[in-house]
Amino acid sequence: EPEVTQTPSHQVTQMGQEVILRCVPISNHLYFYWYRQILGQKVEFLVSFYNNEISEKSEIFDDQFSVERPDGSNFTLKIRSTKLEDSAMYFCASSEGGTVHEQFFGPGTRLTVL
Amino acid sequence: GNSVTQMEGPVTLSEEAFLTINCTYTATGYPSLFWYVQYPGEGLQLLLKATKADDKGSNKGFEATYRKETTSFHLEKGSVQVSDSAVYFCALLGATSYGKLTFGQGTILTVHP
Repeated sequence: EPEVTQTPSHQVTQMGQEVILRCVPISNHLYFYWYRQILGQKVEFLVSFYNNEISEKSEIFDDQFSVERPDGSNFTLKIRSTKLEDSAMYFCASSEGGTVHEQFFGPGTRLTVL
Repeated sequence: GNSVTQMEGPVTLSEEAFLTINCTYTATGYPSLFWYVQYPGEGLQLLLKATKADDKGSNKGFEATYRKETTSFHLEKGSVQVSDSAVYFCALLGATSYGKLTFGQGTILTVHP
């Protein structure tokens, strides 16, 4: 069964450093998403991406964040200058689209900012 | 804005007990509603969904009915198993959204033999 994969599973970085989180969505999917979950809190939407541009983003997704689909398979989230409060589990998801946007999630990348 | 509220957890049950996890929502228009499950060490998996009022979503013995009058989407299962132990998330997709899911806080379910 096709699945969304994410690498790395755990990333540790120093405050102020740039990180890139990588995702490989399901191959025939057209919509891509990033969510995050700070420990003990809700899963929060960050951004959705379609046709090589951002279609929706949350207030969390400020200028420190960017997304890219550099080739036909990868979907990346970059955090330019990490802060302590960026420590969280980051989930990538993808969907075929349509009206329901049934989303398939990856296993997540745990980001720890020291 | 949209919001989802789940019952406080954790929930601990014995095998074969009846499960209810409450979920209520606030949204404009007619959202779609989902239950996701997260097993230890894994990502979120879609458990069931309902896209309009009075729809019943069902999967693996779990059911939830989209109640517009009470703005609720409670998850139920008649007889839980140890393998159902996981975190359950209620989520909403806004009627005008491009795929932004709004999640509840999650409910940890532990089932003992």
